[in-house]
Amino acid sequence: QVQLQESGPGLVKPSQTLSLTCRVSGASISSGPYYWTWIRQPAGKKLEWIGRVYTSGATNYNPSLKRQVTISLDTSKNQISLELTAVTAADTGLYYCAGGDSDILRAWGRGTLVTVFS
Amino acid sequence: DIQLTQSPSFLSASVGDRVTITCRASEGISTYLAWYQQKPGRVVRLLIYGASALESGVPSRFSGSGSGTEFTLTINSLQPEDFAVYYCQQLNSYPITFGQGTRLEI
Repeated sequence: QVQLQESGPGLVKPSQTLSLTCRVSGASISSGPYYWTWIRQPAGKKLEWIGRVYTSGATNYNPSLKRQVTISLDTSKNQISLELTAVTAADTGLYYCAGGDSDILRAWGRGTLVTVFS
Repeated sequence: DIQLTQSPSFLSASVGDRVTITCRASEGISTYLAWYQQKPGRVVRLLIYGASALESGVPSRFSGSGSGTEFTLTINSLQPEDFAVYYCQQLNSYPITFGQGTRLEI
């Protein structure tokens, strides 16, 4: 059974870069086919798809975030990384990683809360 | 982007009830739709994919239907553990989008 666990700094200052990781257990992120996806949820709002990375390293991003976001694989640690540059208060929320053999998200982490606060 | 509109946004029901949640897409998405359940402190759970296929391990009281622009999630004989927030997700085109959620409460 695939399990995912997100981790990150919790607090980030405006204009800085947010870096999150998602540790995967129960599966190798480099074997597939498997997609690893980041999703976020501002407080009281709906889920927003940030983007995904395939086992090959190929990525797809939400156009609304494309200039800010990088998602990558760290196969040595079996984890997925998310970097979001130039953050603002609008980037505050709960960040989830999820995985599946397509865009159907069969496994989710519990999420990690990020607050952009000066 | 494809917009998904769920109705109702809030639903009050009782144990044993049958409830239906609707998800309408702003354009046709064939059957590229999934439903998820979100409960506080719990991992988000996939319930239905392909509009009507039940994910392994999900109780049969959950069912989905629809195609094109209108979809439904039905829960028969509500159980206490079913009170949660439900989201639809379209997988037809990028960016992937979600509905705004339906909160199901007692």
